[in-house]
Amino acid sequence: GESVGLHLPTLSVQEGDNSIINCAYSNSASDYFIWYKQESGKGPQFIIDIRSNMDKRQGQRVTVLLNKTVKHLSLQIAATQPGDSAVYFCAEKTRSSASKIIFGSGTRLSIRP
Amino acid sequence: EADIYQTPRYLVIGTGKKITLECSQTMGHDKMYWYQQDPGMELHLIHYSYGVNSTEKGDLSSESTVSRIRTEHFPLTLESARPSHTSQYLCASRQADTQYFGPGTRLTVL
Repeated sequence: GESVGLHLPTLSVQEGDNSIINCAYSNSASDYFIWYKQESGKGPQFIIDIRSNMDKRQGQRVTVLLNKTVKHLSLQIAATQPGDSAVYFCAEKTRSSASKIIFGSGTRLSIRP
Repeated sequence: EADIYQTPRYLVIGTGKKITLECSQTMGHDKMYWYQQDPGMELHLIHYSYGVNSTEKGDLSSESTVSRIRTEHFPLTLESARPSHTSQYLCASRQADTQYFGPGTRLTVL
């Protein structure tokens, strides 16, 4: 079956350092991946996405890398700030489930001052 | 960016009560979703809709029902609330491949 999972449930990073959050997926038919950020008491917020025909996409302070060979994607946050503290989810969509986006379990990112 | 609204934000009720969680969006998105989420955990899809008069059950059986009479409105109803329904309920709508989430309703059933 389809599954999306994260390697680490928690990540602690020094303020100013770069953060890397990893995610593994199992369905090679997945064609679209999304990273969400969820702050305490709020709904998930879209951060960045990437399609399967790409291996890298950059946004403002964030970069998503996709390695289809090992079914792995990562979210890199540059110069991590206190406001980056949240739970981060990766999600995937496959061509066979056009209306469903599958979410993995989250990684909690905490920032050390 | 989509505007998704959910009411109430917090609800505490007794077992056996019937409740409706409201969700509305103002962007005219056809696809809408309801998820259940325990704190810090993954999202579980409970219902979704392709458009007006279209509803489908998701992966999690939550003993709830939905309706989609209008594009902008997608309410979720629990006919008889139980303590096992205590959770956060997130509504989302979708434009192209991107989902936009509401702020959630935190439900506690005593």
